[in-house]
Amino acid sequence: EPEVTQTPSHQVTQMGQEVILRCVPISNHLYFYWYRQILGQKVEFLVSFYNNEISEKSEIFDDQFSVERPDGSNFTLKIRSTKLEDSAMYFCASSVLGGNTGELFFGEGSRLTVL
Amino acid sequence: AQTVTQSQPEMSVQEAETVTLSCTYDTSESDYYLFWYKQPPSRQMILVIRQEAYKQQNATENRFSVNFQKAAKSFSLKISDSQLGDAAMYFCAYRKSVPGANNLFFGTGTRLTVIP
Repeated sequence: EPEVTQTPSHQVTQMGQEVILRCVPISNHLYFYWYRQILGQKVEFLVSFYNNEISEKSEIFDDQFSVERPDGSNFTLKIRSTKLEDSAMYFCASSVLGGNTGELFFGEGSRLTVL
Repeated sequence: AQTVTQSQPEMSVQEAETVTLSCTYDTSESDYYLFWYKQPPSRQMILVIRQEAYKQQNATENRFSVNFQKAAKSFSLKISDSQLGDAAMYFCAYRKSVPGANNLFFGTGTRLTVIP
């Protein structure tokens, strides 16, 4: 069964460093998303991406964040200058176009630890 | 603003018994979707069940069913004949019924333990 894959599973970085989290969505999906979950808190929407552009973003997704689909298969989240509060589990998800069922398929997550 | 509240951070159930997980939400929309996602330890979230707000009939998927009370903005999940594999974090989620607006609003989750 196709699934969303994410790398790395865990990354430790120093504050101020750039981090890139990678995701390979399900191949026939056209909508892509990043969510995050700070330890002990709820899963929060960051951004959705369709047709090579951001379709929606939350207030969390500030200028420090960017997303890209560089090669038609990968979907990346970049954090330019990490802060301590960026420590969280980051989930990638994808869905089919016109998914009024709203079914998102999630990856296993990438845990980011900022020291 | 849409908010989703899960008031039970942890629940436990005896194997083969039934358990109900609670969820309430707040919205001014009349049409929307509600979901329960399951996240086993160290695994990805998977969709358990979905409910369209315009449908009065409660959704059912095998041992999983919901009690959708639209007026009360309540959306509980009932797991019947609980199995050890049901142990996981369960998230209730809401989505607007707008094409392309696929982002979900999640609750804080309920950790379910199944006791053998």
